[in-house]
Amino acid sequence: DVQVLESGGGLVQPGGSLRLSCAASGFTFSNYAMNWVRQAPGKGLEWISVISDTDGYTHYADSVKGRFTISRDNSKNTLYLQMNSLRGEDSAIYYCAKGPSWNYVFGYFDYWGQGTLVTVSS
Amino acid sequence: EIVLTQSPGTLSLSPGERATLSCRASQSVRSSFLAWYQQNSGQAPRLLIYGAFSRATGIPDRFSGSGSGTDFTLTISSLEPEDFVVYYCQQYGSSPWTFGQGTKVEIK
Repeated sequence: DVQVLESGGGLVQPGGSLRLSCAASGFTFSNYAMNWVRQAPGKGLEWISVISDTDGYTHYADSVKGRFTISRDNSKNTLYLQMNSLRGEDSAIYYCAKGPSWNYVFGYFDYWGQGTLVTVSS
Repeated sequence: EIVLTQSPGTLSLSPGERATLSCRASQSVRSSFLAWYQQNSGQAPRLLIYGAFSRATGIPDRFSGSGSGTDFTLTISSLEPEDFVVYYCQQYGSSPWTFGQGTKVEIK
């Protein structure tokens, strides 16, 4: 079965940093684009970043561009999100979401993790 | 950025009834790159429909999608008790990929 499991969330002060991880199993991780999607408490969903399967292409929503960095280690079947200069509005559940193919253009999400909660507060 | 507006915000129906959820885009969605997700409270979203009308793996055939351009619809032909949750549409035809604000289907 396809599984993705996020970790690394927690409480961080404004201006601080956090790195999220997503461990994948049940599929050939290196063959698929991967994404991060977030959801503020009681709010809707917001796509924030994608990384291609092997060539390192990345793309970000304007709300996180220049502050967040997505990366992956295909040898470890793991996706990462480095979050810097965190703000209160970044508080959310962060979901790791698998793309349906190697091609990041197909930007829908066929499997999601259970999410990890990030709270930015002093 | 393409803005997706879902209507109604809340849909009150009884089990066995038909549900029709609307998703309207602020501009045409390229190649009908439109997906629908279901989200139960406290859980991750689940993909229902992609490409406007293709059902995802394991999704019952009571769920169907239709539409093109700027107007899309998710139809649940006969509501089961587990269908009373929140539904989101999402477009992936134009970056940034965006979601609608959600429609809650509640028991009448």
